[in-house]
Parts: sequence; C-alpha cells; structure tokens
Amino acid sequence: GAVVSQHPSWVICKSGTSVKIECRSLDFQATTMFWYRQFPKQSLMLMATSNEGSKATYEQGVEKDKFLINHASLTLSTLTVTSAHPEDSSFYICSAALRTGLYEQYFGPGTRLTVT
Amino acid sequence: GENVEQHPSTLSVQEGDSAVIKCTYSDSASNYFPWYKQELGKGPQLIIDIRSNVGEKKDQRIAVTLNKTAKHFSLHITETQPEDSAVYFCAAGTSNFGNEKLTFGTGTRLTIIP
Repeated sequence: GAVVSQHPSWVICKSGTSVKIECRSLDFQATTMFWYRQFPKQSLMLMATSNEGSKATYEQGVEKDKFLINHASLTLSTLTVTSAHPEDSSFYICSAALRTGLYEQYFGPGTRLTVT
Repeated sequence: GENVEQHPSTLSVQEGDSAVIKCTYSDSASNYFPWYKQELGKGPQLIIDIRSNVGEKKDQRIAVTLNKTAKHFSLHITETQPEDSAVYFCAAGTSNFGNEKLTFGTGTRLTIIP
C-alpha cells in the first residue's frame, strides 16, 4: 500500500517551453501533497505544499508564477514549470501524506527534468 | 523554523557490521521523525519512523531511537548487507493536520563493503 506515482519519469524540453509533471497517490487519498526539488548529491528542498481544492503554499524563494501547482483531487497534484530555463533542470519529487491522524509521507519515484 | 543536522555525511562499513546515523533537530514542537532510503535515480523510500511518545522502535534489522530531551534521534542498521548501500535521510516534522511539513537532514551515503 501507500504507492505514489509520477509521470513522466524523465523529460527533456527546450528553453522557454512549459512542462507538466503529474503526481498520483494510487491506493490512498492524500490529505496533502508536497513538491520537492533535489540537486545532485544534495538533500530534498521543499518547494510547496498543496491541499486538495485550495491554493498551494510556497516556500520562501520559490516563484509561484513559475512553478504552478494544481491539486485537483485527493489523488492528483500537478506541477507545471513555466518558461523553463536550463537552471530549472533538476530532479523533482512529489510526496503524499496519508489522510489519517497518524500521518506518513510517501514519495513518488521522481521526475528528471532537463532543459536544453 | 526547524533545522535538522545529520552525521556522518558518508559511512563505509564491512558487510555484516552495524551502521549508525545520527540526527539532531532544533524545534521542540517536532513530534514525528521518519527515515528515508534513497537509491540512485529514485525517490526516497520510508523505511522506519518514530513519534515523540516512544523512545525506540525496531523493524527487523533496522531500529530508531529518540531522545527528546537532547533532541537527538538515530538510525541503527544491524547485520548490514550490500543492498543496504544507499543514501539515508532523516527528517523531522509535526503530525498536526495542516502543518505536516518535513525538514530533511543533509543525507548520509552508506556504502557496505562486501
């Protein structure tokens, strides 16, 4: 149980284009979904927290107009990187928190974005 | 906000020996402490967690201890195997609904030497 999927697993796009990444909780309803960014050999940096049906909460320094997050349902959240540039190239990982009082956060397999 | 420090950054142990990774946190309000294992090119996998109402938790070869007074928690892996080689992250956060943010440590690259 507690499986989170991401699509695509990797994507290459040209500078100036937009890319959408999907995050799905496959076998549970997620109270909250999180989006992280991870650079090579570094820790996970939280970008934003999203609750179903409400606006995402972005961490300091993360441009909300560049990284658009939509949490349409209890099982789906999307991250759109708009007008991507090479510096946006990174490993993007989502996670989903179980909708219980116990709270565990389960991660997707990640999406490798390369902007050329 | 919360600050989590993790040591060591790299750790090599002989197969069959034990490995210990330590973390400290700063926010006394944190009450949830998970550990994640991340293999190359994959997302982190939750391997064990502990909440502030217990001091120790064990799952087969993996155990976690928590000292709330000192704000320390540790991961112990016994009888290490080659498949234990990965990067391990500790994290701290709260389980309060609406405020479930996790703060991660900087990671420990564990290498098991056959």
